[in-house]
Amino acid sequence: DIQMTQSPSTLSASVGDRVTITCRASQSISSWLAWYQQKPGKAPKLLIYKASSLESGVPSRFSGSGSGTEFTLTISSLQPDDFATYYCQQYNSYPFTFGPGTKVDIK
Amino acid sequence: QVQLQESGPGLVKPSGTLSLTCAVSGGSISSSNWWSWVRQPPGKGLEWIGEIYHSGSTNYNPSLKSRVTISVDKSKNQFSLKLSSVTAADTAVYYCARVGKYYYDSSGYQPGGCFDIWGQGTMVTVSS
Repeated sequence: DIQMTQSPSTLSASVGDRVTITCRASQSISSWLAWYQQKPGKAPKLLIYKASSLESGVPSRFSGSGSGTEFTLTISSLQPDDFATYYCQQYNSYPFTFGPGTKVDIK
Repeated sequence: QVQLQESGPGLVKPSGTLSLTCAVSGGSISSSNWWSWVRQPPGKGLEWIGEIYHSGSTNYNPSLKSRVTISVDKSKNQFSLKLSSVTAADTAVYYCARVGKYYYDSSGYQPGGCFDIWGQGTMVTVSS
């Protein structure tokens, strides 16, 4: 299985901050990476697919980059609605696997 | 607008079988998408369980493969999950999800692999 790691595990930030979350894969996954946002008691929501493609309806302050084994999710200016947990997921090969999550909370 | 809705018992006894159904509305389960189950134990991360295509083809997570069956009922526009021999470790919120972003290239149909539509999730507790 491809192991996914994320850093940091928790991130404290303020509204307006630029936030970057890193996701690493245990082997190359090309660009087959997605990012999700999850709020307490809710299902995850797809933000980014194929490493850098923005899902329809997702604000443009979210962006993704990377390929191979290292990827980043950037929020250019953190908004109150963005405090949540973020997960990366690889879909290069079965079984699909998720990172452990990064919780973004209020500083 | 495709929507997914999970249903099934919220409590299952240890060694029993967990059975859930995901109803697809606003679209056809016979589209070019695969359909998946994902679970999340309380306070923990996400785990992919498996997926099914309308043809009945399946892929399972090897960690659960011996206990999992995913099936499809095209007449009812729904798919189902059965997980046998459950223990407390199977207590989780279970989500059904559509596998999105399929595409066609020189090799033909490519199924995608990220989850673009999710059900609201259903909590299943394994306890006597």
